[in-house]
Amino acid sequence: DIQMTQSPSSLSASVGDRVTITCRASQSLYNYLNWFQQKPGQAPKLLIYSASGLQSGVPSRFSGSGSGTEFTLSISGLQPEDLGTYYCQQSYTTPLTFGGGTTVEIK
Amino acid sequence: QVQLQESGPGLLKPSQTLSLTCTVSGDSIISGDFSWNWIRQHPGKGLEWIGYIFKSGGAYYNPSLKSRVTISLGTSQNQFSLKLTSVTAADTAVYYCARAEKDTIDLWGQGTLVTVSS
Repeated sequence: DIQMTQSPSSLSASVGDRVTITCRASQSLYNYLNWFQQKPGQAPKLLIYSASGLQSGVPSRFSGSGSGTEFTLSISGLQPEDLGTYYCQQSYTTPLTFGGGTTVEIK
Repeated sequence: QVQLQESGPGLLKPSQTLSLTCTVSGDSIISGDFSWNWIRQHPGKGLEWIGYIFKSGGAYYNPSLKSRVTISLGTSQNQFSLKLTSVTAADTAVYYCARAEKDTIDLWGQGTLVTVSS
C-alpha cells in the first residue's frame, strides 16, 4: 500500500493568514493526488484534484502544488469557515489511501 | 444534482453481517464512467477506503478487508451495497458511499454510523 504522511497534524492560524499543509507519499504518485476538507459532522468535500486542479465551486484561495512524492495544499487568506480537517488522498493505485489529516483551527 | 444516501442498521452485535445500501438520486449508476465506493471513518480517526464497484459489476477491495467484504450493484440502477461479515467492535465507524471518476472521489453521501456492540 502507498503510505501518505501529512504534516503538521494540527495547526492554529489567524484569519487572513496563509496556511500550508504538506503531504508526502511513500512512492511517486506523479500528479495523482487529491485534497479534501472535512468540517465537523460532515462528509469530506473535494477541494483539489490531480495535485493542482481546483474543483468547481471551491474558492480560489485554495491551491495545490507538487508532484512525485511531495505535495502541498495552501490556503491564502484563511477564513473562519475554513476550520476543519484536511486530508490528502492518492488516486494512483488501489488500495486508495488517505493521509492522516491536518486539523486547522482558527485563533 | 446527483446525491448519495446511505441506509442500513446502525447497531450490530459482534459476528453479525453489516449490510448497507447506497441510493443514488439525480442520475443512474450506469450512465457514466464512475466507480462507486465505500469508505469508512473510525470515530475521531482518518479515512479508510473499503472498495469500489463499476457499472460492469467488477469490484476491487482493500486487501485489509477483502476476506470479509462484498460490494454489489443493487436490483435498481440507482443502488449499490456493502456487506461486511463477522463484524467486531473494530468495525464501528461512519460508513460513507461515494462516487469517483478515475479514482478521484468527487461526491460523498452524508455517512451513516454503524456501532458494533454486544
